[in-house]
Amino acid sequence: GESVGLHLPTLSVQEGDNSIINCAYSNSASDYFIWYKQESGKGPQFIIDIRSNMDKRQGQRVTVLLNKTVKHLSLQIAATQPGDSAVYFCAENTNAGKSTFGDGTTLTVKP
Amino acid sequence: DAGVIQSPRHEVTEMGQEVTLRCKPISGHNSLFWYRQTMMRGLELLIYFNNNVPIDDSGMPEDRFSAKMPNASFSTLKIQPSEPRDSAVYFCASSLTSGEQYFGPGTRLTVT
Repeated sequence: GESVGLHLPTLSVQEGDNSIINCAYSNSASDYFIWYKQESGKGPQFIIDIRSNMDKRQGQRVTVLLNKTVKHLSLQIAATQPGDSAVYFCAENTNAGKSTFGDGTTLTVKP
Repeated sequence: DAGVIQSPRHEVTEMGQEVTLRCKPISGHNSLFWYRQTMMRGLELLIYFNNNVPIDDSGMPEDRFSAKMPNASFSTLKIQPSEPRDSAVYFCASSLTSGEQYFGPGTRLTVT
């Protein structure tokens, strides 16, 4: 069936380093992908999105890469800061806006 | 805009009691989603509405769960009767169709 999964459940980085969080998806018909950040005690928050007609999109300190050939999505965070510590989810949008979320990767930033 | 509003923020109830969770989506959004999050199962989509109409309720665990959206600015998720395994954080989210979702702060439900 359709699924979205994260390769690594946890990631620990030094403050100032770059972080890369990966995600695999299985529905080749999906045309919209979103990364969310969830801090402790809060709901997921939108970070950045990308449509299937693109392979890269940049935001402020974040970049999302999409490789449709291998159905892979990644989130890159530049100069990771303590405030980036959170759980990160990728989501795959199917018809009518329904999102299928991955399991999440916990990012810990060490000072 | 105040964002998605959920109430209550915390609910503690005894097994067998009815629980009603409430959600006010962001004004102008036409899609509303109910999720449940636990350590064991992660974030699960329970049901979602588009223009107040339930589109997909395949994630609703069983008949004890029901959701309504009587108008564009209000939705409820009801559990009757509640069981300890229903303990979780329940999120409501809203969006424009096919757009990113905006999540509420969640309701932490504990059923003893």
